[in-house]
Amino acid sequence: QSALTQPASVSGSPGQSITISCTGSSSDVGGYNYVSWYQQHPGKALKLMISDVSDRPSGVSNRFSGSKSGNTASLTISGLQAEDEADYYCSSYTRTSSLVFGGGTRLTVL
Amino acid sequence: QVQLVESGGGVVQPGRSLRLSCEASGFTISNYGMHWVRQAPGKGLEWVAIIWYDGDIKKYADSVKGRFTISRDNSKNTLYLQMNSLRAEDTAVYSCVRGGSYCSGGSCYKFDYWGQGTLVAVSS
Repeated sequence: QSALTQPASVSGSPGQSITISCTGSSSDVGGYNYVSWYQQHPGKALKLMISDVSDRPSGVSNRFSGSKSGNTASLTISGLQAEDEADYYCSSYTRTSSLVFGGGTRLTVL
Repeated sequence: QVQLVESGGGVVQPGRSLRLSCEASGFTISNYGMHWVRQAPGKGLEWVAIIWYDGDIKKYADSVKGRFTISRDNSKNTLYLQMNSLRAEDTAVYSCVRGGSYCSGGSCYKFDYWGQGTLVAVSS
């Protein structure tokens, strides 16, 4: 199972919006609504930000939103804040009942 | 509160075995799909294995199938990963992760709690 494709890095200024893409195939992202997004600050455990493509767990800011079109899922962060600077990973359930992650995206807040 | 504490990592020679443990607190592991996820140094995340809440269904990544075994001890609320025939490419930080409760299929694969991980280094 090949890793999902994410941009290595994205950046934005405070207050702006950014979108991170996550591209897979019909065997994973395109075939199921089980895409999740995780945030990881250096040295910290991953935090679930979005599950099931667009569901936001309790306690996660509504500045974070998720969507999917075809084989590509997206994470959008609006009103960018300094604390959003972190690594972001997507994941998707697959047709072989396994899980595949994206390679990760480093978000820099300028 | 929910805590996951891994142990058992270390340096091991290729071809040897190692067993990782993950002691859970704050919840009952038999109510959840429990996973192992690893991250090689400087690399991305790789899902390794799941044991469903009922304990009957276990799934593995192709890269570890036939070599690794996931299991749990409900009385100790502890998850295990038995790793045999270790290879250099198995070198990584291994983390215990909680999935969905009473889940099935894809709903088991969203992770709300992660342990800090234990390092496994396979080297001669």
